Amino acid sequence: GEDVEQSLFLSVREGDSSVINCTYTDSSSTYLYWYKQEPGAGLQLLTYIFSNMDMKQDQRLTVLLNKKDKHLSLRIADTQTGDSAIYFCAETFSGGYNKLIFGAGTRLAVHP
Amino acid sequence: DAGVIQSPRHEVTEMGQEVTLRCKPISGHDYLFWYRQTMMRGLELLIYFNNNVPIDDSGMPEDRFSAKMPNASFSTLKIQPSEPRDSAVYFCASSFGGDTQYFGPGTRLLVL
Repeated sequence: GEDVEQSLFLSVREGDSSVINCTYTDSSSTYLYWYKQEPGAGLQLLTYIFSNMDMKQDQRLTVLLNKKDKHLSLRIADTQTGDSAIYFCAETFSGGYNKLIFGAGTRLAVHP
Repeated sequence: DAGVIQSPRHEVTEMGQEVTLRCKPISGHDYLFWYRQTMMRGLELLIYFNNNVPIDDSGMPEDRFSAKMPNASFSTLKIQPSEPRDSAVYFCASSFGGDTQYFGPGTRLLVL
């Protein structure tokens, strides 16, 4: 079935780059998303990429998509303490266009 | 835009009581989603509506859960009777045309 996997934890130093990785199984996904969840808050859409793209850049965020390996990554440049949160990768479910399948989330901890 | 609005933000109730969670989607959005988030199971899609009609309720855990959308600007998720294992954060999300989903802040439910 559909599955999205992420590593659970990442720790980086302030000012360094963070790279959060995700693998997915549904090769027919149309969109892939990154959401951010801060403590006690809902999920905030960070960025998304169409499946026919390899890369998308948005200010400090860079999304890379490798369709062959079904691998998605999110790079945050110049990571700040405000970036500390849980980051969720999600793919659209081909059996139901409007359904999203979420990974378990990667907790990013930024330390000085 | 006010974003997706959920109420209450926190709910504490006793086992056996009825719980009603409310959601107001973003104006103009035609899709509405209910999710549940727990540490053990992550984010689970419970049900989603298109133009106020339930499309997929396969994620609703059991008959104790019901959801309605009487009009385009309001939806409820009801649990009757509630059980301790229903304790979770419940999110509502909405989208236009089935694309990018925008999440509300969630309702944190604790059933004692």
